[in-house]
Amino acid sequence: DAGVIQSPRHEVTEMGQEVTLRCKPISGHDYLFWYRQTMMRGLELLIYFNNNVPIDDSGMPEDRFSAKMPNASFSTLKIQPSEPRDSAVYFCASTSDRDATNEKLFFGSGTQLSVL
Amino acid sequence: QKEVEQDPGPLSVPEGAIVSLNCTYSNSAFQYFMWYRQYSRKGPELLMYTYSSGNKEDGRFTAQVDKSSKYISLFIRDSQPSDSATYLCAMSAYTGFQKLVFGTGTRLLVSP
Repeated sequence: DAGVIQSPRHEVTEMGQEVTLRCKPISGHDYLFWYRQTMMRGLELLIYFNNNVPIDDSGMPEDRFSAKMPNASFSTLKIQPSEPRDSAVYFCASTSDRDATNEKLFFGSGTQLSVL
Repeated sequence: QKEVEQDPGPLSVPEGAIVSLNCTYSNSAFQYFMWYRQYSRKGPELLMYTYSSGNKEDGRFTAQVDKSSKYISLFIRDSQPSDSATYLCAMSAYTGFQKLVFGTGTRLLVSP
């Protein structure tokens, strides 16, 4: 199994531009999560999906952030327009019901976003 | 005040040392406790999971929870250079991930 795959690994953009981050969860996992990691705030949950349906988006900071999961093998996190304070590492994670009982999340390697 | 506090480090130790990593928390409702390990430029991976108070051992790793003091620890025996990573504590009052709160992580460096 290739694990959770995220792209791109690095994204550098200018303030005001649209940014799209992509995630392919582990096959067979029916939960998908988007997290943001910064030095000051650590890992913060932005949104999570169950069976492609958004369950909790209360962590999405602003309307500039949106996430979709059109099918079980693909999700996107979009920021439009981007701002310098959005600079962070964005992680996608997935899990199954079996692993969820042990709070086991499988993380991708993240996307390092820099907004200039 | 943050719900979960963790010293950022770095904590530098020689190979073979016993390492103690700690987190304090303020929410007395937390009862599920985890330790995640994160290597540089990688995502976190679950290392240990414990429910309520007590100890749990897995190889060189021991997780300890003291709910009366709102304090959790991760001990690493016979530390190895490959243990060099950032260690994140995480906790929740419920099963399920929507209420999972992570610490900011402690960076550990084990020198050969």
